[in-house]
Amino acid sequence: GDSVTQTEGQVALSEEDFLTIHCNYSASGYPTLFWYVQYPGEGPQLLFRASRDKEKGSSRGFEATYDKGTTSFHLRKASVQESDSAVYYCALSDYNVGDNSKLIWGLGTSLVVNP
Amino acid sequence: EAAVTQSPRSKVAVTGGKVTLSCHQTNNHDYMYWYRQDTGHGLRLIHYSYVADSTEKGDIPDGYKASRPSQENFSLILELASLSQTAVYFCASSSQGATEVFFGKGTRLTVV
Repeated sequence: GDSVTQTEGQVALSEEDFLTIHCNYSASGYPTLFWYVQYPGEGPQLLFRASRDKEKGSSRGFEATYDKGTTSFHLRKASVQESDSAVYYCALSDYNVGDNSKLIWGLGTSLVVNP
Repeated sequence: EAAVTQSPRSKVAVTGGKVTLSCHQTNNHDYMYWYRQDTGHGLRLIHYSYVADSTEKGDIPDGYKASRPSQENFSLILELASLSQTAVYFCASSSQGATEVFFGKGTRLTVV
């Protein structure tokens, strides 16, 4: 079945560091890809999504490019701030696999940014 | 703004007792979901529903029941709470296709 793999479970950075969180997916169809962010004490919220090959999603300085060739959707930010400390989830929705309203989630990456 | 409200926000339950977690959405969404969040496991889907009076099993339904009496309300029921059900539970809603899923703030359940 479809799956999402986030390589990093935890990432610790200093302010102004460059961030990369790796996300690879496996899907039988042509999925829509998402990044969600969860701040402490809150539920996850959509950061952005992309639905076509080479499409770039972006929000709040974060960006990721849909790469069908490498089945990846890596999250990047050029200069992180302490306020970016949160858990980041990669997810996919696949029209071709049953109910596409059920998202497939990665395990999440906990980002801690030290001042 | 889209809103999903969960109650209670935290609860301590006794092993073997019955627990009901409630969720209310004002998004006019057809889909509602119950997720469980545990360290190391991310978000796991317990039950979901796409229409009132009908529920579907998610990936980890054992030990849980769900009820969708109206489009706005979706409950998660633990008939016999167990220690292993200690976790944070999130309710969410979306339109069909899940182009954006809106989450509540979560319920922290501790079973003792």
